[in-house]
Amino acid sequence: DSGVTQTPKHLITATGQRVTLRCSPRSGDLSVYWYQQSLDQGLQFLIQYYNGEERAKGNILERFSAQQFPDLHSELNLSSLELGDSALYFCASSAGGGYTYEQYFGPGTRLTVT
Amino acid sequence: GQQVMQIPQYQHVQEGEDFTTYCNSSTTLSNIQWYKQRPGGHPVFLIQLVKSGEVKKQKRLTFQFGEAKKNSSLHITATQTTDVGTYFCAGPGGSQGNLIFGKGTKLSVKP
Repeated sequence: DSGVTQTPKHLITATGQRVTLRCSPRSGDLSVYWYQQSLDQGLQFLIQYYNGEERAKGNILERFSAQQFPDLHSELNLSSLELGDSALYFCASSAGGGYTYEQYFGPGTRLTVT
Repeated sequence: GQQVMQIPQYQHVQEGEDFTTYCNSSTTLSNIQWYKQRPGGHPVFLIQLVKSGEVKKQKRLTFQFGEAKKNSSLHITATQTTDVGTYFCAGPGGSQGNLIFGKGTKLSVKP
């Protein structure tokens, strides 16, 4: 158990809908990352937050947005969903905001868009 | 943008055989991290390398960072079925602090 929690575990929704994925980092970790993993694909970095502020942005679509709240939990909002958005979404956390910190991954949310 | 290329994409070995995955970058990396993702699981941090020519061992796993800090490798001696999974390398994604992951090497081990 990494200490990172993600809800829900599974999500099935229709095209055009909007969903929110939630992540609680390990106790004490200030940085949260979101990744997308499609079938047999690598980990696509989406976005990073550090202590409530956006720190780095990857290949995140404009239909996707995220935020980190004062209690450091984070939410990833996916809107106008398309079939191609079906994937496993991981949240990870680290103690600091730099790339020398090891990342602890949550169990993921599996999103299926029908 | 920054990229780390990983080869091979897949590797099938007989239990007891050795396994190596390679990670390459076109630019110098300040550090590189390795993660393992078991089937159906989430990535788990294995190790970080920061020094040129660094070699670190974890039981049957040997991690190396190239002298030029542009490549890295993970070698597993005498694979076991518990080694099954996808191994990812990850390097700095830019100046901000995120990591960029390679596409991973999926290892299957035949008993």
